Amino acid sequence: QLQLQGSGPGLVKPSETLSLTCSLSDGSISSSAHFWGWIRQPPGKGLEWIGNIYYSGLTYYNPSLKTRVTISVDTTENQFSLRVSSVTAADTAVYYCARLSSQNTADLKYYYMDVWGKGTSVTVSS
Amino acid sequence: SYHLIQPPSESVSPGQTASITCSGDRLGDKYASWYQQKPGQSPVLVIYQDTKRPSGIPERFSGSNSGNTATLTIRGTQDVDEADYFCQAWDSKTAVFGGGTKLTVL
Repeated sequence: QLQLQGSGPGLVKPSETLSLTCSLSDGSISSSAHFWGWIRQPPGKGLEWIGNIYYSGLTYYNPSLKTRVTISVDTTENQFSLRVSSVTAADTAVYYCARLSSQNTADLKYYYMDVWGKGTSVTVSS
Repeated sequence: SYHLIQPPSESVSPGQTASITCSGDRLGDKYASWYQQKPGQSPVLVIYQDTKRPSGIPERFSGSNSGNTATLTIRGTQDVDEADYFCQAWDSKTAVFGGGTKLTVL
């Protein structure tokens, strides 16, 4: 049973870069049927999609965050990572990593987030 | 940008049917997924591709999607179904979530 484990600093200073990693257990990041994604949830608010990556390095980003976000994949370490630059208090959130699956890989519209990590709480504060 | 609209809250009596709606422009032309989130926990997928139920999700959960509205239906609602529910769809290669509906079972 695939498990995802996010890790990274819980506190980041304003204007610095937030860096998180999601490690896979009992599954391969090189699966052709899956994307790997990041979603965040500010305290007391809803879910916001950040972006996805395929094992080949193909990425899709939320247009509202695209200029500050980088998602990368490390197939040798079986993990993927998130970087958000120039953070502000508005970036304070629980960050989730997730697997995206689909039996039809022809289009993103078929994909759904079927496995979620436990979430990593990140606070932006000086 | 694309938006999905959900009612902030719904309430249902135990054993009754709960319906949670998600509205968006021509949402019926897209695929809707639904996620359940209980306090302090990660979201759980309960419906995908409008009507499909992942293994392990009870049969009382079902979904539909037509026109501008997707609906999550919970028949015979139980206390354990009290949670926040989020719809999600893709638009122009961007995943969009609805604002979430807090379902209260009382």
